[in-house]
Amino acid sequence: DSGVTQTPKHLITATGQRVTLRCSPRSGDLSVYWYQQSLDQGLQFLIQYYNGEERAKGNILERFSAQQFPDLHSELNLSSLELGDSALYFCASSVFPSGDSSTDTQYFGPGTRLTVL
Amino acid sequence: KNEVEQSPQNLTAQEGEFITINCSYSVGISALHWLQQHPGGGIVSLFMLSSGKKKHGRLIATINIQEKHSSLHITASHPRDSAVYICAGAGGGADGLTFGKGTHLIIQP
Repeated sequence: DSGVTQTPKHLITATGQRVTLRCSPRSGDLSVYWYQQSLDQGLQFLIQYYNGEERAKGNILERFSAQQFPDLHSELNLSSLELGDSALYFCASSVFPSGDSSTDTQYFGPGTRLTVL
Repeated sequence: KNEVEQSPQNLTAQEGEFITINCSYSVGISALHWLQQHPGGGIVSLFMLSSGKKKHGRLIATINIQEKHSSLHITASHPRDSAVYICAGAGGGADGLTFGKGTHLIIQP
């Protein structure tokens, strides 16, 4: 158990809908990363938050947005869903407060499996 | 753009064999992460290294900065080592990871 929690574990929805994925980082970790894992693209970095502020953006679509709240939990919002958005979505938190992925070990949550029908 | 190339894609070996998984990366990557993804999907961070060598139990990770190459070794492999192993590059600063495509390892009893 990494100490990172994600809810829900599974989500099935229809095209055009909007969903929210939730992540609670390890106690004391300030940095949260969101990743998408799909069959064709593999793992991709979406976005990073550090202590409530957006820190870095990766391959995140404009239909997707995220935020980190004062209690450090984070939410990833996916809207106007398409079939291709079906994937595993992971969040990770980093053990040191630097927010630097070249020095911080990342602890991954169990993931949310999103199926868009 | 940071890139990470991993080989082999698939590897099947017998229990007890010495396993090596390789990872090459581009300029701009300053640290390598090795991750293990279990069949159920969960991801575990094994190592993060920017120089030298690290060892944890039967797992050894090395990195050669000049050659931009890293290897993950498993000694005395066991069927419970069967998983997907992923290397991921970190570019330094506030960036997420750039992932290799993973090596699907099967250890047969």
